[in-house]
Amino acid sequence: GEDVEQSLFLSVREGDSSVINCTYTDSSSTYLYWYKQEPGAGLQLLTYIFSNMDMKQDQRLTVLLNKKDKHLSLRIADTQTGDSAIYFCAESRTDSWGKLQFGAGTQVVVTP
Amino acid sequence: EAGVAQSPRYKIIEKRQSVAFWCNPISGHATLYWYQQILGQGPKLLIQFQNNGVVDDSQLPKDRFSAERLKGVDSTLKIQPAKLEDSAVYLCASSLTVGSQGLGEQFFGPGTRLTVL
Repeated sequence: GEDVEQSLFLSVREGDSSVINCTYTDSSSTYLYWYKQEPGAGLQLLTYIFSNMDMKQDQRLTVLLNKKDKHLSLRIADTQTGDSAIYFCAESRTDSWGKLQFGAGTQVVVTP
Repeated sequence: EAGVAQSPRYKIIEKRQSVAFWCNPISGHATLYWYQQILGQGPKLLIQFQNNGVVDDSQLPKDRFSAERLKGVDSTLKIQPAKLEDSAVYLCASSLTVGSQGLGEQFFGPGTRLTVL
C-alpha cells in the first residue's frame, strides 16, 4: 500500500514545541516532505529529508526519520501563532517521476 | 519571481455543467501537476505533464476530466459534466526538474475552489 497517515489535530500553546507525526508504508520512498497550508492558500514546502538521513534541522524545524518503523516527525520549536496551519506529510519514489503521495494533514492550532 | 497563477479562484456550478480551470506555471518549469484536494484530505495527483506530454494520468477520471498543456506552458483542466463529488480545491503545481536525480521541489498555486450544487 501507499498510505501516508497523520494525526488530524494538534493544539499547542505559544512558545511550546509542536511535534507532528506521520507514518508511511512504502519502503522505496526517496524523499519525505513536510508542507504547510494556510487558509485559502496553496501548499508551501517547509522542509524535506532524503531517505538515507536520520535527522535534518532547519532553524526552528527538526525532521526525524525512522526508516525501520517508517515514521517521520516534524518538530517546531518555540511555536508561534503564525504556525497555525495544516501540515501535510508527503512521500515520493524514484519510480514515480516526482509524484507526491500526501497524508490527510494535521491541523495545528496555536493558542496564546 | 512570480509564483504559480491559477484562475478562477472560486467557481460554483450545478451538476452536469462544465467547468474549466487555468494554470500558468513558474517560468521555465518543465513539469506541471494538477491535484484534487477534497475537504479534509490531502491533495491527490490527477495528471502530470512534462513539457506538453503526459507523464502520469492514472488517477484522472477520463470519462469526465480532461487536461491539456499546449506549447508546454499554460494548462487547462476541464470537467464535463460535473458531479457533486467533484466539489474540491483544484491545485496546480510546477517544478523545474523531475525524476530520481533531483528534489524536483513543487511550487503550488493558490488553487481553485469548485462547488458543485
